[in-house]
Amino acid sequence: DAGVTQSPTHLIKTRGQQVTLRCSPKSGHDTVSWYQQALGQGPQFIFQYYEEEERQRGNFPDRFSGHQFPNYSSELNVNALLLGDSALYLCASSTRGRDEKLFFGSGTQLSVL
Amino acid sequence: AQSVTQLDSQVPVFEEAPVELRCNYSSSVSVYLFWYVQYPNQGLQLLLKYLSGSTLVKGINGFEAEFNKSQTSFHLRKPSVHISDTAEYFCAVIEGFAGKSTFGDGTTLTVKP
Repeated sequence: DAGVTQSPTHLIKTRGQQVTLRCSPKSGHDTVSWYQQALGQGPQFIFQYYEEEERQRGNFPDRFSGHQFPNYSSELNVNALLLGDSALYLCASSTRGRDEKLFFGSGTQLSVL
Repeated sequence: AQSVTQLDSQVPVFEEAPVELRCNYSSSVSVYLFWYVQYPNQGLQLLLKYLSGSTLVKGINGFEAEFNKSQTSFHLRKPSVHISDTAEYFCAVIEGFAGKSTFGDGTTLTVKP
């Protein structure tokens, strides 16, 4: 049973560029949440997708956007990258829009130069 | 709004000694509480959770935590640690039904031989 898979594992971009990160949820899960984890900090909630809609959003600017596909996989897009966007981006899957049983992927390490 | 404070950023301990990692939260409504562990270059893995019922919760790898509503705390304990317990530990809270997870900034547990 495959867990949560994220791609790519590492990414290097320059300021002003755009990036797309991908996530496939654990089998049987229909909800995907994205988190940003800066160095030395806990994960910060970006947004959650359930039934192909953004259900909840954390305190992140509109430069951060996402999408969920009919097969429940999800993308996180970040436009106009800033140095401060450098972080580990974690995807977590669950069911029915709930957080009581989150399964996390290993993350995508994004470095913005 | 909910918040989580992990009182110790680093906890060094010798192998086979007991350990306690402290977590306090603030919320105006009922909460669900979680502890996650993160090993280097990996995502978060759920150690244990409190949703309701007994305030003493047992998790994986011999960890347990106690929910104290009056103290608004959810401290994590293990009676005897192993080298393999060296990792980053995160406390998290969900506020109310369908709330989103708010994480503390983590505690680095280092187990020394």
